[in-house]
Amino acid sequence: NAGVMQNPRHLVRRRGQEARLRCSPMKGHSHVYWYRQLPEEGLKFMVYLQKENIIDESGMPKERFSAEFPKEGPSILRIQQVVRGDSAAYFCASSPRGASSGNTIYFGEGSWLTVV
Amino acid sequence: AQKITQTQPGMFVQEKEAVTLDCTYDTSDQSYGLFWYKQPSSGEMIFLIYQGSYDEQNATEGRYSLNFQKARKSANLVISASQLGDSAMYFCAMREGSGADGLTFGKGTHLIIQP
Repeated sequence: NAGVMQNPRHLVRRRGQEARLRCSPMKGHSHVYWYRQLPEEGLKFMVYLQKENIIDESGMPKERFSAEFPKEGPSILRIQQVVRGDSAAYFCASSPRGASSGNTIYFGEGSWLTVV
Repeated sequence: AQKITQTQPGMFVQEKEAVTLDCTYDTSDQSYGLFWYKQPSSGEMIFLIYQGSYDEQNATEGRYSLNFQKARKSANLVISASQLGDSAMYFCAMREGSGADGLTFGKGTHLIIQP
């Protein structure tokens, strides 16, 4: 799982600022997932992307949150006008293929966002 | 209803003993996958083991094995000969064959191995 690279590892933002979290999937993986982990909880699915496509964003808040996975470069999770409740760990994961069981999903080390 | 239930919020186990972490799941899909991840205090999510719904044999990876009881919808993680370094949060997760390809996680079990 060390192959999924996330940065920054830790990010502090004031309320109202923007947060951008980056994720480079493992080599050869074209499917990226973002998860959020609130304190003392398990991970919650946010969004699933392939290159240039959002496949499933059913877990994304409707406002202020967006994600992209461009043809070139990392996937970006963007949070506009952050609020204290956005403070959480954001994990990126990648897999070589999407649908059907049997494909291992590897996680990055997470990005810890603190909103002050 | 919760899709993944981990009934043990915390466990204390003596070093070298075997540990069983419980996980039950709820799905109407025939095709699904079950995962276990370890999250040490440093925060990263470490993949441990995977079991497919059609796999006839229980998955094993070193000291980790998954006790898969399909009829009971149970996927318990067994750690043999526990070590101090096994102290961590452990999450059970499921990927269903239909719908989103994302994983659904349980709330986790905090395992502490005592010397």
